[in-house]
Amino acid sequence: QLQLQESGPGLVKPSETLSLTCTVSGDSISSSSYYWVWIRQPPGKGLEWIGSISYSGSTYYNPSLKSRVTISVDTSKNQFSLKLSSVTAADTAVYYCAREVFGVVIYMDVWGKGTTVTVSS
Amino acid sequence: EIVVTQSPATLSLSPGERATLSCRASQSVSSYLAWYQQKPGQAPRLLIYDASNRATGIPARFSGSGSGTDFTLTISSLEPEDFAVYYCQQRSDSLTFGGGTKVEIK
Repeated sequence: QLQLQESGPGLVKPSETLSLTCTVSGDSISSSSYYWVWIRQPPGKGLEWIGSISYSGSTYYNPSLKSRVTISVDTSKNQFSLKLSSVTAADTAVYYCAREVFGVVIYMDVWGKGTTVTVSS
Repeated sequence: EIVVTQSPATLSLSPGERATLSCRASQSVSSYLAWYQQKPGQAPRLLIYDASNRATGIPARFSGSGSGTDFTLTISSLEPEDFAVYYCQQRSDSLTFGGGTKVEIK
């Protein structure tokens, strides 16, 4: 059974870089049928897509965050990662990773439980 | 960017009642529309994909319809566990979520 688990610091200082990793277990990350996605949810608010990556490293990002976001994949570790630079309090959120089925139909079918990141000095 | 708008923001209903949630895209997304349910403290769960296909394990009381710019999620008879927030999401051009509809107990 496929599982995704986010990990990383729960507290980040303003202006620093937020770094999170999503570990995929139960299946290989190396499939052309999927994209691997980061999504966040500020406290009490809705969902915001951050960006996505394929196993081969093709990426696309939310235009509103593109200048600060880097997503990478490490197939040897079955992981993908998020870096968000120059964070402010507005980046405080629960961060989720998810698998997106990408084909004739497209949807996110497996999600991690989420990890809370607070930006504060 | 395709903007996705959900209405109403809050729906107050009683168990057993029918819930009708709306999702509108600012331009056609064909059928690249999914619905997710989120309960407090939990990750979103896929309910419907490709506008009208139920995901694995989703009860038949959940149904989706629509294409182009207007979509509907219907819960035919609300169960206690259905009170939650529902998000629609388009995947036709980039990826955007609607703002959500909270289904609360009346």
